[in-house]
Amino acid sequence: DGGITQSPKYLFRKEGQNVTLSCEQNLNHDAMYWYRQDPGQGLRLIYYSQIVNDFQKGDIAEGYSVSREKKESFPLTVTSAQKNPTAFYLCASKRDRLNTEAFFGQGTRLTVV
Amino acid sequence: EDQVTQSPEALRLQEGESSSLNCSYTVSGLRGLFWYRQDPGKGPEFLFTLYSAGEEKEKERLKATLTKKESFLHITAPKPEDSATYLCAVQAGSGGYQKVTFGTGTKLQVIP
Repeated sequence: DGGITQSPKYLFRKEGQNVTLSCEQNLNHDAMYWYRQDPGQGLRLIYYSQIVNDFQKGDIAEGYSVSREKKESFPLTVTSAQKNPTAFYLCASKRDRLNTEAFFGQGTRLTVV
Repeated sequence: EDQVTQSPEALRLQEGESSSLNCSYTVSGLRGLFWYRQDPGKGPEFLFTLYSAGEEKEKERLKATLTKKESFLHITAPKPEDSATYLCAVQAGSGGYQKVTFGTGTKLQVIP
């Protein structure tokens, strides 16, 4: 069954720690994206990658980092520089960068304690 | 700046009571408009893509339409299982990256 897998579903982090959220897809999609979702706000783009070994900053990249070493994988690291990291994080993929639909993972809820 | 506004923020319907959700947009160079359904604590699930004014798409009790300034998601005779948040997104621009902007969603509750 093709799809996108995010892990873990819930993540708790102490202030000052870096954490990495996993995103794996087996859809053979070129483009992958990380979004952040907060109550009352639309999804906001953190980073995107249109091809392996290349990625670009989105609208709210500060305090985050990514890598795209394999087509299937696009992990997101939330660093200690991110001032308000508690949120619901969504990973998505698209067949290509053009106007096709996105497929989303089930999300990771990160809470800073 | 691209803008997407969804209304109402929340909608409560009796089972069988048809209604419409609105997505109005201001973008330069629309490439596509997407509707997604999101259940609590889960990722959005794709419903429809509309590309040009006048286009319509249907799926079960849902029908999406598009004009030059807005899109409607019509829900006919809704059932409790249609309860979810419905998200609208627009993709616009040209060249190497076409920006996608999401609205804040309409939370639909269907009462038995």
